[in-house]
Amino acid sequence: QKEVEQNSGPLSVPEGAIASLNCTYSDRGSQSFFWYRQYSGKSPELIMSIYSNGDKEDGRFTAQLNKASQYVSLLIRDSQPSDSATYLCAPFRASYGKLTFGQGTILTVHP
Amino acid sequence: GAGVSQSPSNKVTEKGKDVELRCDPISGHTALYWYRQSLGQGLEFLIYFQGNSAPDKSGLPSDRFSAERTGGSVSTLTIQRTQQEDSAVYLCASSLAGGGISYEQYFGPGTRLTVT
Repeated sequence: QKEVEQNSGPLSVPEGAIASLNCTYSDRGSQSFFWYRQYSGKSPELIMSIYSNGDKEDGRFTAQLNKASQYVSLLIRDSQPSDSATYLCAPFRASYGKLTFGQGTILTVHP
Repeated sequence: GAGVSQSPSNKVTEKGKDVELRCDPISGHTALYWYRQSLGQGLEFLIYFQGNSAPDKSGLPSDRFSAERTGGSVSTLTIQRTQQEDSAVYLCASSLAGGGISYEQYFGPGTRLTVT
């Protein structure tokens, strides 16, 4: 079992739709969860952090965390072509220090 | 404020040569991380520095890789006797560290290393 599993996609959604990105993780000791966006040829950019079970909203982005199910998701509302990128899920345990990344989900938003 | 900076942005080297990659973290960030990303692959952890503590070197792929952090700020990743499989983008990140939002890691633009 991989430490962090994401559907590699590509996930294709029409402009204006909701994109739903999912991630499961194996380390029950994970405390913090981060979503990064990575455009082709660029470095990862932090877009969302979530620490407690439930939902966290920031603009068009909503992160959802369920520690019992070891599941975290990212919803992008009103998807735009500029949202087309690879989205990386990264659980974090303070005692480990490092982030463990999933392989990422490629999202394509078509006009 | 200024983000994480890395230099050079691109490096082409011949197999067998040594290379040094530099990272300048965000001012005030005590934790510094090196990752690498090979073409079409995920992000792979290499090494982690936290303050004055001994670094976590658990991700270094071989003894040809080493890193140091001087004065708790700038870090240099050194690859000796480079091999073609070392070709990748080397990414540096920094964070405040210490709990809650301070664990958020911010990445630099990366150094693309090509070994010919």
